Amino acid sequence: GQQVMQIPQYQHVQEGEDFTTYCNSSTTLSNIQWYKQRPGGHPVFLIQLVKSGEVKKQKRLTFQFGEAKKNSSLHITATQTTDVGTYFCAGSQPTGNQFYFGTGTSLTVIP
Amino acid sequence: KAGVTQTPRYLIKTRGQQVTLSCSPISGHRSVSWYQQTPGQGLQFLFEYFSETQRNKGNFPGRFSGRQFSNSRSEMNVSTLELGDSALYLCASSLGRGEDNSPLHFGNGTRLTVT
Repeated sequence: GQQVMQIPQYQHVQEGEDFTTYCNSSTTLSNIQWYKQRPGGHPVFLIQLVKSGEVKKQKRLTFQFGEAKKNSSLHITATQTTDVGTYFCAGSQPTGNQFYFGTGTSLTVIP
Repeated sequence: KAGVTQTPRYLIKTRGQQVTLSCSPISGHRSVSWYQQTPGQGLQFLFEYFSETQRNKGNFPGRFSGRQFSNSRSEMNVSTLELGDSALYLCASSLGRGEDNSPLHFGNGTRLTVT
């Protein structure tokens, strides 16, 4: 069945350091979405990537979709304490409106 | 616009009981999905409803069921509760036009504890 793996599971960084989380699918994805969940909160949509090799930026966040549409990454430059939370990728297959969520990467930023 | 509303926020039940959770989507959203979130398993997809029809279903036992009403509000029911059903249950709504993958808007969830 469809599997979306995400690494690392946990990441502790000093404020100002960079952070990257990786998402890998066992099958080709139609698109991939990224969500952020703050501690005690609910997942909030960040971005959607659709095209092979697509790169999108949101301020200090850079999102990439692999050429084969089977992997993706989220890179945060110069982390801040407001970046704390768990980052999830969610992929969908070419058919159907079902999302498969990665296991998430929990980011801790040390001031 | 009001966000996704889930009720109740917290529930404590005993093994063997059943529970019904409610979700009101964002106005205009016709797709409602349900997820189970636990520390060890992350976000597990339960099912998705669109226009009162179950469109997708995850790998959960038949004790987990749901439905959607004509106003797009959805309910999820879990019968014969087990200790392992303790989790945060999240509802997410989206426009759900046809086969598109519009962003999911999550509610604050219902925290279910089974004792």
